[in-house]
Amino acid sequence: AQSVTQPDIHITVSEGASLELRCNYSYGATPYLFWYVQSPGQGLQLLLKYFSGDTLVQGIKGFEAEFKRSQSSFNLRKPSVHWSDAAEYFCAVGTAGNMLTFGGGTRLMVKP
Amino acid sequence: NAGVTQTPKFQVLKTGQSMTLQCAQDMNHEYMSWYRQDPGMGLRLIHYSVGAGITDQGEVPNGYNVSRSTTEDFPLRLLSAAPSQTSVYFCASSRTQGSNSPLHFGNGTRLTVT
Repeated sequence: AQSVTQPDIHITVSEGASLELRCNYSYGATPYLFWYVQSPGQGLQLLLKYFSGDTLVQGIKGFEAEFKRSQSSFNLRKPSVHWSDAAEYFCAVGTAGNMLTFGGGTRLMVKP
Repeated sequence: NAGVTQTPKFQVLKTGQSMTLQCAQDMNHEYMSWYRQDPGMGLRLIHYSVGAGITDQGEVPNGYNVSRSTTEDFPLRLLSAAPSQTSVYFCASSRTQGSNSPLHFGNGTRLTVT
């Protein structure tokens, strides 16, 4: 069975600093990988996805993620964080039939 | 654009009560699903449907029933609520059931069972 681990439960960064959120997955086949963001009281919004091809994926709001098969990782990055990026971020792996397995989430706080 | 609409936003139940969480989408999506979100556990799939009249179980189906009589609606029923079902519930839909079809989420229903 597939699984997703997000090692960092909370991360605090200063506004303007760079950001990297870690995600490790376990899945027997080539994975479909996703990052979602959840603002307080809201549903999840898709930031970006990886299916195949270029291992560096660009998403919305200036985010990018890199798929590294050898490390089973799909880390999310942003060069300069804005206060509005404060939210909870979820990594997910997708199997056939669009059944996603989510990580436990990383809550991002942004210091002014 | 309404997207995925969930009602109610909040609900408090006593143990043993029943209720239905409503989910409707106006995007003519084929695939609909229910997740529950618990702290530190991410979202876990409860049930899903790949079209009207077709439903199947996800990772944590016990205590929940679903039906899909129309393309638009996918209600989730709790027949006898238990405190372990206290959670935030999200409905999600996608155009097709393939993983390359992005999921669209509702804003959630926060359920407390006392």
